[in-house]
Amino acid sequence: QVQLQESGPGLVKPSETLSLTCSVSGYSISNGYYWDWIRQPPGKGLEWIGNIWHSGSTYYNPSLKSRVTISVDTSKNQFSLKLRSVTAADTAVYYCARGGEGASSALVDYWGQGTLVTVSS
Amino acid sequence: DIQMTQSPSTLSASVGDRVTITCRASQSISSWLAWYQQKPGKAPKLLIYKASSLDSGVPSRFSGSGSGTEFTLTISSLQPDDFATYYCQQYNSYSTFGQGTKVDIK
Repeated sequence: QVQLQESGPGLVKPSETLSLTCSVSGYSISNGYYWDWIRQPPGKGLEWIGNIWHSGSTYYNPSLKSRVTISVDTSKNQFSLKLRSVTAADTAVYYCARGGEGASSALVDYWGQGTLVTVSS
Repeated sequence: DIQMTQSPSTLSASVGDRVTITCRASQSISSWLAWYQQKPGKAPKLLIYKASSLDSGVPSRFSGSGSGTEFTLTISSLQPDDFATYYCQQYNSYSTFGQGTKVDIK
């Protein structure tokens, strides 16, 4: 059974960088699939942030691309999110998830439980 | 960017009702559409992919149809466990979610 767990600070100051890590168990990232980040502001809908292949190839939401970096560490079976220059609008529950393969890279079948990140001074 | 528009935003229904949710894409996405169910405080759950394929373990009362720009999710007979929020997602070009449809008790 694939399991994902987000970790990182729950509070980030405006203009700083939000950093989250997703630890994967039950499946080796090196074996395939894209690995995704998705967020959900409190009381609102879902927003796809981007994803990464085990080789390091990435796709990013064009609206966030200038501020986002997703990286992978196959030795630790983890992937990470960095979102720069955050504002209150970046306050959300952040989910890591397993995407698909090929043309279905953003089709998610396994999700982490989500972690709330609040941007506030 | 491809925009996804769901309707209605809220739907009040009773157990046993047939429920239909519509999702429209701003441009053709072929059949690259998924439906998810989300309950409060929980991560979404994949129900349907490629517009009409049921994910493993999903009850057969859920079905999806459509292609191009118009899609529907149908619940043939609403069960107590189905009261939740439903999202469509296109994964043809990057990814975009609809704004969600909340199904609540009438």
